[in-house]
Amino acid sequence: NAGVTQTPKFQVLKTGQSMTLQCAQDMNHNSMYWYRQDPGMGLRLIYYSASEGTTDKGEVPNGYNVSRLNKREFSLRLESAAPSQTSVYFCASIGRNTDTQYFGPGTRLTVL
Amino acid sequence: RKEVEQDPGPFNVPEGATVAFNCTYSNSASQSFFWYRQDCRKEPKLLMSVYSSGNEDGRFTAQLNRASQYISLLIRDSKLSDSATYLCVVNLNTNAGKSTFGDGTTLTVKP
Repeated sequence: NAGVTQTPKFQVLKTGQSMTLQCAQDMNHNSMYWYRQDPGMGLRLIYYSASEGTTDKGEVPNGYNVSRLNKREFSLRLESAAPSQTSVYFCASIGRNTDTQYFGPGTRLTVL
Repeated sequence: RKEVEQDPGPFNVPEGATVAFNCTYSNSASQSFFWYRQDCRKEPKLLMSVYSSGNEDGRFTAQLNRASQYISLLIRDSKLSDSATYLCVVNLNTNAGKSTFGDGTTLTVKP
């Protein structure tokens, strides 16, 4: 099992560019999450998907959109990147009847 | 006020020391509680869940005080490999609900 995978690992964008961060899990988990982590801070929830076909806003959703493509995949889209979105983005998933979150290795995004 | 607050540290301790971290949460309806460990620039990983009765895993002991709304983590006999950032996590629901993370407490264990 690969667990949770994320692509790309690193990305540099110019202000106004768009991109999609990909996340996939092979653990048959129902719930998936997108977080961002700024230097010296904890993780802040952007969006989550409690089950296939549903998505909900987290603490900091502005500037982002998500798609739960199927049970395995949950993507995060930046339509018009801004320097304030420079951060490390983590995807996570949780299985049924458990609260343990499994994280992907992260995507380090810089917006110039 | 943040929903989950931790002392950011840093805590710098010698090998073999005992160190304790506290975390407070504001929502009394919170249901489940965890400590995660995060090494520099890597993804967080679950260290242990925290139960009302307290739980121990080797050198690590976690406790929950619902009345005072705080969680603690005690590390005994610190090792160099314990150097990391420790994140307190609180869930409102017990089954795959939203998680709120503290900003983390940084621990450096020195020889």
